[in-house]
Amino acid sequence: DTEVTQTPKHLVMGMTNKKSLKCEQHMGHRAMYWYKQKAKKPPELMFVYSYEKLSINESVPSRFSPECPNSSLLNLHLHALQPEDSALYLCASSHGKMGQPISFGQGTRLTVV
Amino acid sequence: AQSVTQLGSHVSVSEGALVLLRCNYSSSVPPYLFWYVQYPNQGLQLLLKYTTGATLVKGINGFEAEFKKSETSFHLTKPSAHMSDAAEYFCAVSVPGSGGSNYKLTFGKGTLLTVNP
Repeated sequence: DTEVTQTPKHLVMGMTNKKSLKCEQHMGHRAMYWYKQKAKKPPELMFVYSYEKLSINESVPSRFSPECPNSSLLNLHLHALQPEDSALYLCASSHGKMGQPISFGQGTRLTVV
Repeated sequence: AQSVTQLGSHVSVSEGALVLLRCNYSSSVPPYLFWYVQYPNQGLQLLLKYTTGATLVKGINGFEAEFKKSETSFHLTKPSAHMSDAAEYFCAVSVPGSGGSNYKLTFGKGTLLTVNP
């Protein structure tokens, strides 16, 4: 069982829709991450929050907007996505220190139509 | 800059045979290394990690890996494959993030392990 919970598990949205992905962890981790994973590829880092502040943005298009309401929650707001944005979106968390493993959620399978 | 190379995008073994998945890294500083497993349509699960100390690291599900600095390798092994081991395996190295208060993982391209009955 993963200790990082993501909702929803599956999402289908049109290119004009606005939707949000949600992530929650209760391990006391202070760093939270969003990764994007295309089929048969490794995860690609999108954003890192450290102590609820955005610390890394890997040049992600503005149609993806992250939000960290508190130390346990992480959201990813989606607007005007393209079909090529269809992917598995993984949330993760860690203590935020080198050498400490990152724990991943089960992911949200996003399909943009 | 740190990087990870996984040799072999697909490895096929028979049930009961030795599993060997290869990983080589490049790092200008002492590396922190990880192996993750991903089953279809699921997230990544940590198998094992190397930070400091003992170079032979034991993980879950009978897997182990040995850190060899001279060879810049961190190969993953399991003495006897089970059907349930069929999955994608990712080797990763941690990379310092901005501000020094967090870090990110750099992943290899992954190796798909299939286990034949």
